[in-house]
Amino acid sequence: ETGVTQTPRHLVMGMTNKKSLKCEQHLGHNAMYWYKQSAKKPLELMFVYNFKEQTENNSVPSRFSPECPNSSHLFLHLHTLQPEDSALYLCASSQTTTPSGGAGEQFFGPGTRLTVL
Amino acid sequence: AQSVTQPDIHITVSEGASLELRCNYSYGATPYLFWYVQSPGQGLQLLLKYFSGDTLVQGIKGFEAEFKRSQSSFNLRKPSVHWSDAAEYFCAVGAGGDKIIFGKGTRLHILP
Repeated sequence: ETGVTQTPRHLVMGMTNKKSLKCEQHLGHNAMYWYKQSAKKPLELMFVYNFKEQTENNSVPSRFSPECPNSSHLFLHLHTLQPEDSALYLCASSQTTTPSGGAGEQFFGPGTRLTVL
Repeated sequence: AQSVTQPDIHITVSEGASLELRCNYSYGATPYLFWYVQSPGQGLQLLLKYFSGDTLVQGIKGFEAEFKRSQSSFNLRKPSVHWSDAAEYFCAVGAGGDKIIFGKGTRLHILP
């Protein structure tokens, strides 16, 4: 596998279910991200991890719980979701190697299309 | 605060015509700038990036972008579009630390 992979690609779940999204990057990057992309909203940053430490939580509801066991893997645990949580969830990774320490380009996975019934 | 504005939500051009997608940013220091493309149901793919140096940046698929500090712009151009270029295009700015701020996107439609 190369790049950033996400599983599953599609997920349908009820409001009382518990499920997890998985992301794996094979690029040796140190930072990983979760984004939410809804039909009528811009790309929303949810969480950022750098060297396994969470560095950003963009006021995300607690029904979304991220986990980053190592720099290559990122999970998003879902429980008691709402229909408005239906969206494309994108994972990305990057290496912060720019001269002043700013964000390098992010590499995205194909996303998980989540439908909450 | 850092921000990115893509003023055009939709753009329609004929196949073979030239293309320019607009992007304006707000950032206090020298920005790191990116253009991404997203096909339906897919993740985002990096087209090109600007970190420093030459203000005219070449990317993949025949795209280029020009950084104009005086206008706070980073417009994306292609001299001749192909039907396969129909997609959504996102401009983004490095916001310090690990964050990148994305614009709302411009959807490109191609007429045959």
